[in-house]
Formats: sequence, structure tokens, C-alpha cells
Amino acid sequence: DAKTTQPPSMDCAEGRAANLPCNHSTISGNEYVYWYRQIHSQGPQYIIHGLKNNETNEMASLIITEDRKSSTLILPHATLRDTAVYYCIGTGNQFYFGTGTSLTVIP
Amino acid sequence: EPEVTQTPSHQVTQMGQEVILRCVPISNHLYFYWYRQILGQKVEFLVSFYNNEISEKSEIFDDQFSVERPDGSNFTLKIRSTKLEDSAMYFCASSVYGTSGGGPPDTQYFGPGTRLTVL
Repeated sequence: DAKTTQPPSMDCAEGRAANLPCNHSTISGNEYVYWYRQIHSQGPQYIIHGLKNNETNEMASLIITEDRKSSTLILPHATLRDTAVYYCIGTGNQFYFGTGTSLTVIP
Repeated sequence: EPEVTQTPSHQVTQMGQEVILRCVPISNHLYFYWYRQILGQKVEFLVSFYNNEISEKSEIFDDQFSVERPDGSNFTLKIRSTKLEDSAMYFCASSVYGTSGGGPPDTQYFGPGTRLTVL
């Protein structure tokens, strides 16, 4: 399973795009990149996942570099409710959560 | 929208007692998981379960832990003799497909968790 590296914390102004980076330089060809978030102590919430193409859904966009060594989760218009810990997971057989990025959306 | 549910939301127990944490996975899902999160720490994988068998478990999942699907809807985690260090949030998750066997992993959907406090 790929080890992922994320900045420990980030701030974003409400209404702006939040761009959360993740490095996964050891990811193998068949490993997906998943993003989850955890609001306070609630259960992790699925956001989006991808293999090598960019992906978009109603919550976010995922941009994966061509070499697949890094990716960026984009929340296009951050709201206060997006304040959470965001986890980037490179998964082979299981989901291993790291320490994530604590995103604070500022009014 | 279907969701994973867990009961109780908070369980307080004395050290050495047995506890059973309950989960109702999403109805058409076939794979079930337990994770735990000690306060302030990472979410840690405990075990995955498919077709009435454990398919994978972590080092944390030792002999004091067991899982069961006693009927068609519930999925339980039993801790036989609780220790102080078992105090944590326990999350159940489910997915349609699994994450092993060479195929792509499937999205896991998590429940709200059970906070276990061992005194």
C-alpha cells in the first residue's frame, strides 16, 4: 500500500477553492487514490477516488498528476461545514488512514 | 440514502468486562469492516469480513476480539475482556465489493461510530 504524505494543516477562506495536496510517490500501477474526510469525531466520509484520470463529483474534484506521484483534492467553493480532517489514501488491499490535513475554513 | 448505523453511540464498561458493539451495514453490501480511533490518533484498520469469514485482520485484532454476522443484517464486534487501552471510537464500514483479490478496491461507507470508554 502506498505511503501518502499530506500537510498537517491548511486554512481556506469561505467561498474560495480549497486545494489539498497529497504525495504518493510509492503508489503502484493498480492502486487507487481515495479521499475521505472526518468532521470532528464522526465516521470518515467518502469524497472521491481515482486511478489516473481526473475525477469530479458533486463534492469535489480530484486531479492526479500524469506520473501518479501526487494528487490534489479541490473543494471548489469551501464552506464552514467543510472544516474537517481530509485523508488521502493510496490503497492496495486495505484502507490505511494517515494523519491527514486539518482544513479550517475561515469566515 | 442508505447508511451504516451503529449502536450504542456510547458504551461505558469496567475493565475486564465483555462488550459487543453492533453495526447494521448497508443492505446490499457484502464486505464489512471494523476500524478504531483512539482519541487524537489515526483511524486504524482492525478487520474485514466477507462470506461469514474474516478475510483480513491487523495486528491489533488479537484473540480478545471477535466478529460475527449473527443474522442477515447485523455485524458485531466483541471484545472479550476489555482493557483501559481499548477506549476508543469504533467505526464499522461496509462496501459492495472487497479490497483484496487483485481487483480495484471498493468504496467503504462508514458508520457514525461507537465511543467505548473502559474504566
